[in-house]
Amino acid sequence: DTEVTQTPKHLVMGMTNKKSLKCEQHMGHRAMYWYKQKAKKPPELMFVYSYEKLSINESVPSRFSPECPNSSLLNLHLHALQPEDSALYLCASSLSDWTGELFFGEGSRLTVL
Amino acid sequence: GQQLNQSPQSMFIQEGEDVSMNCTSSSIFNTWLWYKQDPGEGPVLLIALYKAGELTSNGRLTAQFGITRKDSFLNISASIPSDVGIYFCAGQRLGSGGGADGLTFGKGTHLIIQP
Repeated sequence: DTEVTQTPKHLVMGMTNKKSLKCEQHMGHRAMYWYKQKAKKPPELMFVYSYEKLSINESVPSRFSPECPNSSLLNLHLHALQPEDSALYLCASSLSDWTGELFFGEGSRLTVL
Repeated sequence: GQQLNQSPQSMFIQEGEDVSMNCTSSSIFNTWLWYKQDPGEGPVLLIALYKAGELTSNGRLTAQFGITRKDSFLNISASIPSDVGIYFCAGQRLGSGGGADGLTFGKGTHLIIQP
């Protein structure tokens, strides 16, 4: 299994809603990532987890809250988002955080109304 | 954050033509990588380069890690319709804490192939 699976594929939420994005991999990778991508732009790093511990937070607003329940799962909890947070949210994993060889999921397309 | 200058921004070419794109940086990177992203999907790794001067091929793709460690290029030979997409270069540096700083992506090259 060489896949990173993200759910849901599409999410529409209001600014007062609470929702979560989920990511799963079964490749035994010990590093997992959240990226945000706007249309026709490169992915922007949000968070890095290494061995289930948060190792990088790229000054992301607290309305985004990551969680790594175990080495296979990564969640992104969303609360009180703004319309400008609408984007494609990509999860990725790698063998460790030493390598740039990332496996990306297909992404969750988020629209904030 | 670190900036990667990727060019060209877009390319309109005929099927069968060769393609060349490159990335430059003002900073040194330990690793250079090239990713391709198709519409509605996440980026997929094409080639990873780990040593200055390294030249690596993957089928019709060839990439090089510049001697100065501040640049890389990607060539695609004899383009075919499925080569259409956005190509991103990415650089990685090792952080002071022992792990990586995360990838820095270039702005992408949009490749459009006319039959």
